[in-house]
Amino acid sequence: GENVEQHPSTLSVQEGDSAVIKCTYSDSASNYFPWYKQELGKRPQLIIDIRSNVGEKKDQRIAVTLNKTAKHFSLHITETQPEDSAVYFCAASGSYQLTFGKGTKLSVIP
Amino acid sequence: EADIYQTPRYLVIGTGKKITLECSQTMGHDKMYWYQQDPGMELHLIHYSYGVNSTEKGDLSSESTVSRIRTEHFPLTLESARPSHTSQYLCASRRLSSYEQYFGPGTRLTVT
Repeated sequence: GENVEQHPSTLSVQEGDSAVIKCTYSDSASNYFPWYKQELGKRPQLIIDIRSNVGEKKDQRIAVTLNKTAKHFSLHITETQPEDSAVYFCAASGSYQLTFGKGTKLSVIP
Repeated sequence: EADIYQTPRYLVIGTGKKITLECSQTMGHDKMYWYQQDPGMELHLIHYSYGVNSTEKGDLSSESTVSRIRTEHFPLTLESARPSHTSQYLCASRRLSSYEQYFGPGTRLTVT
């Protein structure tokens, strides 16, 4: 089955700096890669996703890049704000079943 | 409003009790899931369903059972609660033809 590794497990950045979270996956058949943000006490929320036929996708301050050959994908957050502080999960899906990474706790220091 | 609803949101119960966690969605989704998650930690898939009368076990061994008698309803039952069941339980759903998966607000279960 699919295996997703996510790094780092914790990340602290100064407000205004960029944050990058990286994930690798094992199943070359996976073709959908979403990112979820989970604030303390709240449900995971889908913030951005990318399909395997696209190399990069951007939505305002967040972007996701995908390297199918290397089987890794990354989340980039620019101009970080305190409200970006949360746990972020990557996931990979081949047959409509999501396999999640273990999460990255992002802290944005004002 | 189309959403995923979970009840109760919080539950404290004694060891040995039988409990059912409710999940309903008004999003018209076919596939539904149950995940177990300690706060802010890894998501573990415990059950999923493709549709009515379809249920499968997930990656994490669980002492719970599920049923899917109606498309919109996917309850999870613990026959005999134990302290090791203390966790947050998240319900999720998506359309069969789509990858996008959405989560309910969760039930925080404490077994004393």
